[in-house]
Amino acid sequence: QSALTQPRSVSGSPGQSVTISCTGTSSDVGGYNYVTWYQQHPGKPPKALIYDVNERPSGVPERFSGSKSGNTASLTISGLQAEDEADYYCCSYAGTYTWGVFGGGTKLTVL
Amino acid sequence: EVQLVESGGGLVQPGRSLRLSCAASGFTFDDYAMHWVRQAPGKGLEWVSGISWNSGAIAYADSVKGRFTISRDNAKNSLHLQMNNLRVDDTALYYCARGGADWMFDYWGQGTLVTVSS
Repeated sequence: QSALTQPRSVSGSPGQSVTISCTGTSSDVGGYNYVTWYQQHPGKPPKALIYDVNERPSGVPERFSGSKSGNTASLTISGLQAEDEADYYCCSYAGTYTWGVFGGGTKLTVL
Repeated sequence: EVQLVESGGGLVQPGRSLRLSCAASGFTFDDYAMHWVRQAPGKGLEWVSGISWNSGAIAYADSVKGRFTISRDNAKNSLHLQMNNLRVDDTALYYCARGGADWMFDYWGQGTLVTVSS
């Protein structure tokens, strides 16, 4: 099972919006509506931001949103804030035998 | 408060074994699937293995299949990962994570570091 493809880095200024893509195949991202997004700050465990493609866990701000088209999922962060600077990972359910696959991660820099 | 506390990591030689544990508290353990996710130093996340609430469904990443065994003890609120025939590329911080709604890891431990080196 190959890792999902994410851009290695993205950047934006405070207040702007950024979108991070996550490309898989019809066996993972395209085959299920089970895409999740995680935020990880240095030295900390990941935190779930989005599940089921576009659902937010309680406590996650509305400026984090998710979507999917075909084999590509996307995370959009609106109204960038300094504390959004972190690594972001997508993850998809990948079927009965190998349940999960992560993307390689994207480092977000807030300029 | 949900808490997941991993233990059992350490330095081990290639080819040897190690058993990780995760102590869970603050929730009804046998209501949830559980997972192990690892992160090599400076690298990304990798899903390793998962187990359903009653151990009826288990899956592994291809990279560990045949070498690692996941198990759980619902009476003791604990999750385990038996790692055999360890390789240098198994070196990572191993996280225990709770399987929340659908495919989401909603709570994570702080991780336990496994270093495989001669």
